[in-house]
Amino acid sequence: DTAVSQTPKYLVTQMGNDKSIKCEQNLGHDTMYWYKQDSKKFLKIMFSYNNKELIINETVPNRFSPKSPDKAHLNLHINSLELGDSAVYFCASSLPGGSDNEQFFGPGTRLTVL
Amino acid sequence: QKEVEQDPGPLSVPEGAIVSLNCTYSNSAFQYFMWYRQYSRKGPELLMYTYSSGNKEDGRFTAQVDKSSKYISLFIRDSQPSDSATYLCAMSYYGQNFVFGPGTRLSVLP
Repeated sequence: DTAVSQTPKYLVTQMGNDKSIKCEQNLGHDTMYWYKQDSKKFLKIMFSYNNKELIINETVPNRFSPKSPDKAHLNLHINSLELGDSAVYFCASSLPGGSDNEQFFGPGTRLTVL
Repeated sequence: QKEVEQDPGPLSVPEGAIVSLNCTYSNSAFQYFMWYRQYSRKGPELLMYTYSSGNKEDGRFTAQVDKSSKYISLFIRDSQPSDSATYLCAMSYYGQNFVFGPGTRLSVLP
């Protein structure tokens, strides 16, 4: 059973297009995240949702819009894609606070903008 | 100064060596400290998790946290070629606000 899944795994698209990445977790976690990992492997948090509510929104262009239809899903929609958006995007989930502070990551979506 | 600093490597060691990976951080509010392992083209997976200062051991892996020095370490004993990966330190407070180091690439040579 896959704990955190993402689709698609690879995404190649042209500049200016709009695309979405989907994430689902079956761990029963309350909190979900989107991270961006650039070519230098630096993993940076973009958004965090707790029970469908946005709790962290780092300095990310407003072309990026997360949507959480329920607490098991967190999708990422990107408008007007730019070359600099090329990266690997990871979804993750965790229980909020307390001792269960572990994040579980999905396999990543490799986005290439041409 | 970056919030979390980590030597990016690459670090190459022979099989069986003891590996020491380190991170320093600047925010004294961090309470939770984690080490993740990331294989090429895969998502990070949690290796070790520690709350506040102290040591934690799990098999060949030992995590150390020194909050007074704002310094955390991961030791790998009897390193194996299968340990070759990028190791990311991460820290957080209040179970949120996760911050990751840039990762150290480790190669264990047979």
